[in-house]
Amino acid sequence: DAGVIQSPRHEVTEMGQEVTLRCKPISGHDYLFWYRQTMMRGLELLIYFNNNVPIDDSGMPEDRFSAKMPNASFSTLKIQPSEPRDSAVYFCASSLWGHHQETQYFGPGTRLLVL
Amino acid sequence: ELKVEQNPLFLSMQEGKNYTIYCNYSTTSDRLYWYRQDPGKSLESLFVLLSNGAVKQEGRLMASLDTKARLSTLHITAAVHDLSATYFCAVVSPTGGGADGLTFGKGTHLIIQP
Repeated sequence: DAGVIQSPRHEVTEMGQEVTLRCKPISGHDYLFWYRQTMMRGLELLIYFNNNVPIDDSGMPEDRFSAKMPNASFSTLKIQPSEPRDSAVYFCASSLWGHHQETQYFGPGTRLLVL
Repeated sequence: ELKVEQNPLFLSMQEGKNYTIYCNYSTTSDRLYWYRQDPGKSLESLFVLLSNGAVKQEGRLMASLDTKARLSTLHITAAVHDLSATYFCAVVSPTGGGADGLTFGKGTHLIIQP
């Protein structure tokens, strides 16, 4: 199994630009999570999906952030417009209910720098 | 609001020594996880603890859970340099069914020196 795949691995953009982060979960997993990691705030849950349906988006910081999961093998996290304070590592994780105690498997992350 | 506190946040120790990392959480939880993160890398799952008194061991690491005290420990035995990393505990809010997002502690940055 290839594990959770994220792209791009690194992104540098200028303030005001649109940023799209992509995630492919482990095949067969029914939950997908987006997290953000910063030095100041640590690891934070942004949003998660079950069977492609958003369940809890209370962690999405602002309306500038949006996430979609059009099918079981693909999700996007979009920031529009981006701001320097959005600079962070964004992780996608997936899990399968009833399997391995619902362990969440993390992707390699996308390092985002907004100038 | 579920809160997770780890201590210590930074730990420098010598090879061969034993030490314990503590994780306290504020409300009842279904599951507690321990993850490892190497610098610039992703998070690797170490343990999942489900019930009071649960103990799991893998190599030099042993994790335990006391749900009544809302406390988990990660014990390191005879530390070796390869265990240098940041260790996170994470907790899931109790749900009526289905998975949920994780609430993470701030992490314990562990450095093991020869």
